[in-house]
Amino acid sequence: GNSVTQMEGPVTLSEEAFLTINCTYTATGYPSLFWYVQYPGEGLQLLLKATKADDKGSNKGFEATYRKETTSFHLEKGSVQVSDSAVYFCALSDPTSGTYKYIFGTGTRLKVLA
Amino acid sequence: EPEVTQTPSHQVTQMGQEVILRCVPISNHLYFYWYRQILGQKVEFLVSFYNNEISEKSEIFDDQFSVERPDGSNFTLKIRSTKLEDSAMYFCASSDWGGWSSEQYFGPGTRLTVT
Repeated sequence: GNSVTQMEGPVTLSEEAFLTINCTYTATGYPSLFWYVQYPGEGLQLLLKATKADDKGSNKGFEATYRKETTSFHLEKGSVQVSDSAVYFCALSDPTSGTYKYIFGTGTRLKVLA
Repeated sequence: EPEVTQTPSHQVTQMGQEVILRCVPISNHLYFYWYRQILGQKVEFLVSFYNNEISEKSEIFDDQFSVERPDGSNFTLKIRSTKLEDSAMYFCASSDWGGWSSEQYFGPGTRLTVT
């Protein structure tokens, strides 16, 4: 079946460090891919998305490229800030689902130290 | 900016009791979803709802669960007889269309604790 695998956390970085959070997927068909972020005490917020192969989603300095050949959608940021500390979820919209429900990864907690 | 709201933020209940979790989706959205996350595990799809009926449900969504849109604004999830394993964070989401690239907007979640 369709699935999403994320790197385990927590990830601890110093401010201004480079961030990569790995995400790979298995899907029948052509899913859309998403990164959501959850700040403490808040809901899941869409960070970025990509809907087809080679698309690059970007927002707030974060980027991810839809790589069909490696079935990956890794999240990157060149210089993290303390305010980026949160849990990051990779998700796909299931193309075999009549309602394109989301399938999520386990989430990766990021902690950025000043 | 429009947002999805959920109440209560935290619900504690005894095993066997009924609970109703409430959600107010974004007003012009047509597709509604419930997901849950057991502590330390993945966010899992429970059910989707469109045009006043269930569109899709997961294996988790058994006869103990039901959803309703009692009026034009609320969307509820009812668990008839809670079990310990129902303890989780429950997220409501909505989207304006149900296509493959549609963005779902999530509420802050209700933490359900069954004792």
